Amino acid sequence: GESVGLHLPTLSVQEGDNSIINCAYSNSASDYFIWYKQESGKGPQFIIDIRSNMDKRQGQRVTVLLNKTVKHLSLQIAATQPGDSAVYFCAEKGRGTGNQFYFGTGTSLTVIP
Amino acid sequence: DTGVSQNPRHKITKRGQNVTFRCDPISEHNRLYWYRQTLGQGPEFLTYFQNEAQLEKSRLLSDRFSAERPKGSFSTLEIQRTEQGDSAMYLCASRSLGSGDDTEAFFGQGTRLTVV
Repeated sequence: GESVGLHLPTLSVQEGDNSIINCAYSNSASDYFIWYKQESGKGPQFIIDIRSNMDKRQGQRVTVLLNKTVKHLSLQIAATQPGDSAVYFCAEKGRGTGNQFYFGTGTSLTVIP
Repeated sequence: DTGVSQNPRHKITKRGQNVTFRCDPISEHNRLYWYRQTLGQGPEFLTYFQNEAQLEKSRLLSDRFSAERPKGSFSTLEIQRTEQGDSAMYLCASRSLGSGDDTEAFFGQGTRLTVV
């Protein structure tokens, strides 16, 4: 099956700095990716998505980069705020594998005031 | 519409008892998913419905687990003869068909099950 992994399990950044969270995936046939944010005791919250025919997508303070050559995904958060502290997951949906999303272990982001 | 709703939020049960969780998806979302999440891990896929049809089941879904979506709206997940290893957060997500296959899945707040 698919394997989605994150390079760093924890990340600490100073408030106001930019954050970069990385994710590697193993299924080259995956065609759709989502970044989720999960706060303690809550369900995952959609942040931003990207399709495999794109290599960059921007949202409000967030940018997702997709490098299909090396099967790598990253989430950039600009001007990180204390409210950004959470666990971040990347999820991939593989083409032809049905409709489920595969999640990695997650990266815990801590923003230091 | 207030999003995906799950009930109960917390459930404590004794080993061997049966439990049932409910998920109300976003209205008009025809796709519904159940996931399980243990501490420090990402959500793991359990099963998927399109309307009332259960189209996919993970091998994680043992015979003690059953899910239904009888009218294509809300869904229930039942665990029979619970074991301590069933303790986890059970997440429900829904998704619209959209114009293609690339639409985001929206998650509920989950039901945290503790088996004692």
